[in-house]
Amino acid sequence: DTAVSQTPKYLVTQMGNDKSIKCEQNLGHDTMYWYKQDSKKFLKIMFSYNNKELIINETVPNRFSPKSPDKAHLNLHINSLELGDSAVYFCASSQSRLAGGSSRTGELFFGEGSRLTVL
Amino acid sequence: AQSVTQLGSHVSVSEGALVLLRCNYSSSVPPYLFWYVQYPNQGLQLLLKYTSAATLVKGINGFEAEFKKSETSFHLTKPSAHMSDAAEYFCAVSVMGGYNKLIFGAGTRLAVHP
Repeated sequence: DTAVSQTPKYLVTQMGNDKSIKCEQNLGHDTMYWYKQDSKKFLKIMFSYNNKELIINETVPNRFSPKSPDKAHLNLHINSLELGDSAVYFCASSQSRLAGGSSRTGELFFGEGSRLTVL
Repeated sequence: AQSVTQLGSHVSVSEGALVLLRCNYSSSVPPYLFWYVQYPNQGLQLLLKYTSAATLVKGINGFEAEFKKSETSFHLTKPSAHMSDAAEYFCAVSVMGGYNKLIFGAGTRLAVHP
């Protein structure tokens, strides 16, 4: 079973369109993240949710709206896509240190990534 | 604020040679440190982590890293490179707070030649 799964894996779309990426984790973690990896492989955190509550929002344009219906799911919706949005988007999960448990050392578990290409 | 600097965006070694990937961190509080590996078109996989226990950390695939507080370094090494080690390697730092926010270095691409 895949621990952190994202869909779709590839997404090609036109400028101005709206698209969504879905993420699910079956690790029982209470925290989920979206990271963006640009063409130079640089990884930057975008959002983080803990138990459905937004805890990190790293100066991301309002066109990006994360939604967490429950602690196992974190979706990313992007409105009015721009060329600069082309990137690989990674979902990740972890168990927060506040929650305790066996994984209190801060490691993140990543999905396989969703490659978004805006034409 | 925490940050990570990886020296050398590209490292090339011969098969069987020592692998050394450099990482320096900046943190005002004791950090957690990680090395992740990314194979082409895949996600990130944890290689090893430092969490304030032993300063020499052993990870998967024969990799290890040593935490040196005086040098603010966490370099990754492997005694003998394999062709299968060719990948992108990322060093990351996490704040010792309640929530786990990883800040990544820019990555180092490792090439292994026969």
